[in-house]
Amino acid sequence: KNEVEQSPQNLTAQEGEFITINCSYSVGISALHWLQQHPGGGIVSLFMLSSGKKKHGRLIATINIQEKHSSLHITASHPRDSAVYICAVRTSGNQFYFGTGTSLTVIP
Amino acid sequence: EAGVAQSPRYKIIEKRQSVAFWCNPISGHATLYWYQQILGQGPKLLIQFQNNGVVDDSQLPKDRFSAERLKGVDSTLKIQPAKLEDSAVYLCASSLGVAGNTIYFGEGSWLTVV
Repeated sequence: KNEVEQSPQNLTAQEGEFITINCSYSVGISALHWLQQHPGGGIVSLFMLSSGKKKHGRLIATINIQEKHSSLHITASHPRDSAVYICAVRTSGNQFYFGTGTSLTVIP
Repeated sequence: EAGVAQSPRYKIIEKRQSVAFWCNPISGHATLYWYQQILGQGPKLLIQFQNNGVVDDSQLPKDRFSAERLKGVDSTLKIQPAKLEDSAVYLCASSLGVAGNTIYFGEGSWLTVV
């Protein structure tokens, strides 16, 4: 069993839709990261969370430490949001565990 | 601020040949990671350095993979001899090494073994 589980694995949405990607983890963490990976590109860190909620533009990330669960929301989705979104957790020992990613396609 | 630099970006080799990847982390970052990402999967940690010491190399196939971080700055990852299943993106990442700091990734080195 993976330490980090993401759902859904694949997601197709119409432009403008509200999107939610979920992440559950089983290890104790010091922080959770949401990463974005474009085809042919490297990985960009979107958020780092240890509690509560963060917002950046149309992206919102929340975390519930007690339930070991985080969500990434995209409001008013756009085709340029199409990418793989990866949830990663960092332990207090500075180790990272990654989910397998959610492949998002936003159709115009 | 310069990001994590990796080279080469793309490499195609025949099986049983050797290849080396280079990574220059963000200045001042004590922790350096090498990840292997096979298409459709999340990154898998190969090795983690803290300065020039190895913290975790439990998933590094040591019969063919080696990595070093001399002087605690740049790092190289070598594969010798390569197998077909080594075809993947090799990602280098770095962080300050203190809990609560974010991780920064390079663009990756894409390896195809034919």
